[in-house]
Amino acid sequence: ELKVEQNPLFLSMQEGKNYTIYCNYSTTSDRLYWYRQDPGKSLESLFVLLSNGAVKQEGRLMASLDTKARLSTLHITAAVHDLSATYFCAVAPSTNTGNQFYFGTGTSLTVIP
Amino acid sequence: ETGVTQSPTHLIKTRGQQVTLRCSSQSGHNTVSWYQQALGQGPQFIFQYYREEENGRGNFPPRFSGLQFPNYSSELNVNALELDDSALYLCASSPTRSGNTIYFGEGSWLTVV
Repeated sequence: ELKVEQNPLFLSMQEGKNYTIYCNYSTTSDRLYWYRQDPGKSLESLFVLLSNGAVKQEGRLMASLDTKARLSTLHITAAVHDLSATYFCAVAPSTNTGNQFYFGTGTSLTVIP
Repeated sequence: ETGVTQSPTHLIKTRGQQVTLRCSSQSGHNTVSWYQQALGQGPQFIFQYYREEENGRGNFPPRFSGLQFPNYSSELNVNALELDDSALYLCASSPTRSGNTIYFGEGSWLTVV
């Protein structure tokens, strides 16, 4: 079974600082997703990464994908309090033609003013 | 606004009872998948329906079943509820079977007592 590991699980950072969340997965994949979840809420789509070397940026968040290393990163630049949430990566195996995703355990981010 | 609506938003059931959760997708979204998210964990894939037929299933027992209807609505049925079934149940839809854009609903919170 595909395993998706995120680290760190918990991240507390000060406003203005930079940090990176890592997502490792155990099988080949050509689709990787990043989601944000606020407490008690559903999943908000942040990025869809579809090819090796893909890089996408939106505001203070930037995501990248290295399919050879089976690694994706979510980089946070100059964090602000509004970024406090739980972030999930989700992987669709290459053998899967549907929308069966394997989610990581999530990274709970707290940005301290 | 993802165009995916779920009902009910919250419900409480007693162990051994049965529950039906509903999802309404956007017109043209012929693929729907259901996920279970226990507190503090990432979502786990239950199953997917494509054009009204089950098209993939995760590691969930047969008492978890579903239906998809021609009007882009779907149901998740859980029989013989157990305490561990308490979770947020998420519906996700896309216009294609292996869509790059997946839309999640707000979820249904189920508490089993």
